[in-house]
Amino acid sequence: GAVVSQHPSWVICKSGTSVKIECRSLDFQATTMFWYRQFPKQSLMLMATSNEGSKATYEQGVEKDKFLINHASLTLSTLTVTSAHPEDSSFYICSARGRANNEQFFGPGTRLTVL
Amino acid sequence: AQKVTQAQTEISVVEKEDVTLDCVYETRDTTYYLFWYKQPPSGELVFLIRRNSFDEQNEISGRYSWNFQKSTSSFNFTITASQVVDSAVYFCALSGEYNFNKFYFGSGTKLNVKP
Repeated sequence: GAVVSQHPSWVICKSGTSVKIECRSLDFQATTMFWYRQFPKQSLMLMATSNEGSKATYEQGVEKDKFLINHASLTLSTLTVTSAHPEDSSFYICSARGRANNEQFFGPGTRLTVL
Repeated sequence: AQKVTQAQTEISVVEKEDVTLDCVYETRDTTYYLFWYKQPPSGELVFLIRRNSFDEQNEISGRYSWNFQKSTSSFNFTITASQVVDSAVYFCALSGEYNFNKFYFGSGTKLNVKP
């Protein structure tokens, strides 16, 4: 199956700093990538959908100025958490969709801890 | 509105027991997809199955089987002869006709298989 990677796998940062998380499709071109957030013992919630070369579409309640998403190529999307605060601590998961069908391939996730 | 309900928050069984994880969904779409994912402690989502709304045939894959019943809007997942390695959180998800990209995840069921 298709492989999606995320980097870093975990990150600890101080409050007020910005953190960038990368999502890469390793063996296929991802026309669309998705970013999810999962709080401890909770479900995955879609944050935004990004299409290569265009602006991301954010879900209701997600601050686009807080969570900057860039999908500059068909294999890379980045999520930047700006001015992170402890309440942003969460597990961030990306997924990627190829051209063929609607199956999404999920990355391994990035655990963000903001002190 | 799309909604997935996994009423079982946590289930504990002893190895070799059979266990069924329930999933009930709500949608007004005629065409939709249902999914099951496994999330082990490492956090990475593992794809298990995708079923479209026009295919009500039950499916068996090794020790896993799925029972899709449109009449009751359910898509239940059974593990026979459970093993310790089956311990994980299992998510049921739905994507709808007008936006196949958007996944609605249930709250997940944590399965504990004890030796």
